[in-house]
Amino acid sequence: DTGVSQNPRHKITKRGQNVTFRCDPISEHNRLYWYRQTLGQGPEFLTYFQNEAQLEKSRLLSDRFSAERPKGSFSTLEIQRTEQGDSAMYLCASSLEGWGTMNTEAFFGQGTRLTVV
Amino acid sequence: QKEVEQNSGPLSVPEGAIASLNCTYSDRGSQSFFWYRQYSGKSPELIMFIYSNGDKEDGRFTAQLNKASQYVSLLIRDSQPSDSATYLCAVKGYSSASKIIFGSGTRLSIRP
Repeated sequence: DTGVSQNPRHKITKRGQNVTFRCDPISEHNRLYWYRQTLGQGPEFLTYFQNEAQLEKSRLLSDRFSAERPKGSFSTLEIQRTEQGDSAMYLCASSLEGWGTMNTEAFFGQGTRLTVV
Repeated sequence: QKEVEQNSGPLSVPEGAIASLNCTYSDRGSQSFFWYRQYSGKSPELIMFIYSNGDKEDGRFTAQLNKASQYVSLLIRDSQPSDSATYLCAVKGYSSASKIIFGSGTRLSIRP
């Protein structure tokens, strides 16, 4: 396992269409994060999972966004009825969490760049 | 008040000098602190993490943490043009259920 993998790398979609992104974390990692990043900004937290449980979803996140991690391995992020404001880089990161684990640093995938036209 | 604050820059430093990047955070219970480097168009890459007050050195990089002041910094010695990037500060709370929150990043430019 060489790292976090995200697919697709680029996605162009028309406004109003639904899109789905996939993230495959580092295999032994039990924590998975989704972030969104626009030009000149840091990664904005969207949601995260511990194994298959979704622990938190950003209060700023529209109901058009949903994420799943059904078996505690890969995760999908779906955006329904896309808007031009959804255009951004969507980043996935994974980490190993647990009691007594100090090395909780997160490693990122290459991201999916979404353009809504 | 943002949870993690950084000066956006750009910070311009001559080649060979020390670059100093700063970050403050609002959650006094934060326990884990990370520095990521991000080149334009690429995803963030972890370069340092620190959990205890004081300094932590790794090659040309030194992370400094002062929990009382809620301040974390990154020093880059002998700056190289390849260090030109955006540096992201990230913070995680005490609980194992805490998430990692990022600052907006500081753009660093090393001039030859």
